[in-house]
Parts: sequence; C-alpha cells; structure tokens
Amino acid sequence: NAGVTQTPKFQVLKTGQSMTLQCAQDMNHEYMSWYRQDPGMGLRLIHYSVGAGITDQGEVPNGYNVSRSTTEDFPLRLLSAAPSQTSVYFCASSYGRANGNTIYFGEGSWLTVV
Amino acid sequence: GQQLNQSPQSMFIQEGEDVSMNCTSSSIFNTWLWYKQDPGEGPVLLIALYKAGELTSNGRLTAQFGITRKDSFLNISASIPSDVGIYFCAGLVGVEYKLSFGAGTTVTVRA
Repeated sequence: NAGVTQTPKFQVLKTGQSMTLQCAQDMNHEYMSWYRQDPGMGLRLIHYSVGAGITDQGEVPNGYNVSRSTTEDFPLRLLSAAPSQTSVYFCASSYGRANGNTIYFGEGSWLTVV
Repeated sequence: GQQLNQSPQSMFIQEGEDVSMNCTSSSIFNTWLWYKQDPGEGPVLLIALYKAGELTSNGRLTAQFGITRKDSFLNISASIPSDVGIYFCAGLVGVEYKLSFGAGTTVTVRA
C-alpha cells in the first residue's frame, strides 16, 4: 500500500451531509481510481481518471463526484450522503498503460451513513 | 462491470493443508490478478497472469490463467496462520484499469 494515502480512515455521516474522501499518491502515477467494497460483492469501480483533468465513470458512479486537478490527488465527493453509501472505499493508482501488476491500493476509508 | 464468480466463498483449513480457489467468468479477460486483503487494509497483489495457460508461482502460491481466458485458479500450499484473510480474483480487459473483482474467498486457518 506504500505511496497511496487515503483520509479519513473512518467517518460517520448523517443522511444528506456531504463530505470528501481524499486520495493522494506520490508515485507520479497517471491512472487513479476509486472502488467501493461491500460484503459479498468484492470491489466495484466508482470513478477513474487516466490523467490530470480527465475523469470517467465506472460501474457505480451515482451519488459521487470526482475531479483530478493534479496528478497526485483524486478526491471523491459525496454530495448528499445516503445509507446505501455505507461502505469501505479504496483508492488505487497505477503507472502508464502497463499490465495489472502496477496497480496499488490505499488502506481504505470506512464510511457509515446513518 | 463484468461478473466474476469466485468459489468457495469461505473455507476453514488446518495448518499445513493445501488451499485451492477459483474464479470463472462468462467473458474473456486479458489479465487475471489475485489479491489478498488483511483486516483493515487494502488489497495487495499476490500474482499477475498475462497469457492463457500461464502458470505462475510466488513462494507457496501458484496461480494459472485458464486456456479459455475465462477462468483462473489460485493454490496455496502448506498453509500457515498468516494465510488468513480474504483472497480476491480480478480480471482486466484491455489497457484501461477497470478491474472486475470476484466476491472473495475468506480463508481461516486452524492452528
């Protein structure tokens, strides 16, 4: 997990509140992405970015926004939190169009929406 | 996303036993990856497979990329207590980093 830093580690939100999960990497990686992990479902891609200024939707993008103003940072925003967004969120980064062995994951952010 | 069927969902094994798990898909993948996740941490890559039929080892771990490109298996030999965790398979199509994950296999080792 070295090089990909996520904050906060834990967060409790009330329904309707907004918040931002931060992700930063210091490896000069082009690709960054956000996944959510729910019990029995593995990880699902929310949004991803292939470089600064470029973002695209993944499998489950609804309710989330992202931006990529710098190579290092890829924040995930919840505009109006819902209980269905209670999950563990992982940020990942990777360098260039190489094979899958260059994907690094952060340590996760546990989010509870009440 | 493309669905990966991973089995078994969980297993209890005796220390020293061999472990086997597999992943199947209705779609073809160009790359198969196997990750391990410890409690409170993110997934860590164990093995990456790039060619159909490829058999790759990493210490006590062995994984194979199925000939049809729709399946992969992971074997752990002579399990030890630190093998406890959740193992995920993941598939990758093309060069974009859109991983499709299996639901995971939870491994518990009895000492």
